[in-house]
Amino acid sequence: KAGVTQTPRYLIKTRGQQVTLSCSPISGHRSVSWYQQTPGQGLQFLFEYFSETQRNKGNFPGRFSGRQFSNSRSEMNVSTLELGDSALYLCASSLDSGRAGEQFFGPGTRLTVL
Amino acid sequence: AQKVTQAQTEISVVEKEDVTLDCVYETRDTTYYLFWYKQPPSGELVFLIRRNSFDEQNEISGRYSWNFQKSTSSFNFTITASQVVDSAVYFCALSENQAGTALIFGKGTTLSVSS
Repeated sequence: KAGVTQTPRYLIKTRGQQVTLSCSPISGHRSVSWYQQTPGQGLQFLFEYFSETQRNKGNFPGRFSGRQFSNSRSEMNVSTLELGDSALYLCASSLDSGRAGEQFFGPGTRLTVL
Repeated sequence: AQKVTQAQTEISVVEKEDVTLDCVYETRDTTYYLFWYKQPPSGELVFLIRRNSFDEQNEISGRYSWNFQKSTSSFNFTITASQVVDSAVYFCALSENQAGTALIFGKGTTLSVSS
C-alpha cells in the first residue's frame, strides 16, 4: 500500500507570494491533517479535514487555509507569505473507523520563504 | 489548556545503555489519547504507540516499553539496550478527540546513541 505522498517536496517562495501544497492520503483514509514543523515552535497542528469538511482547526491565522476533495486528497494554501512561514509542512492521514487510530505522516514539503 | 512537556531536550548514550524519555501532559478531558512518534534523520514521523486514557496497562514491544501513569500525568518511554539506529528525535503527543487527530506535540527529545 502506498504511503502518504506530498508534493512538491521543496519549495522556495518570496515574501508576499502565495503557495499551495498537496497531500494524497493512504488509500481508504478519510481524515487528512496538516502540521507545521519549525525549530522554534516545534510541531504544530494546522487543521484537519474529514469528508471534505474541516473538522478541527489549530491556532493559525486566516492566511492558512485548506480543503479536501472527494477522493480525500487535500491541499493547503498559505497566502501573503511571511519569512516566519518557512517550515516543514507535514500531512498525515488516518483511517478514522470510529476509533482513535494512528496517523500516518508523509515526508513533508520544505517551504523556504525569502 | 492542553499541553505536552518533554523536559529532556537532548540525551546522549552509548550503545547497549537503557534510556528513558520523559513525557508529562496536561488536559482537562477525561478521555484522551497519548502517542509516541519517532523522527529519524530522514525526517518522516513514524508511529510507535497509542494509549487510551482509560487503559493504564504498561506495554512492551521488543526493546521498547511504555509506562503510563495517570496519577502523575506521565507517559514515559524506555528503550532497553539502545542501538545506533535508535538515534532520532522522539515526540510525545496528546489528542483530545475521539478520532485521535489534532495532535498536540511536545518539543521532542533528541536521542543520540553512539557506538
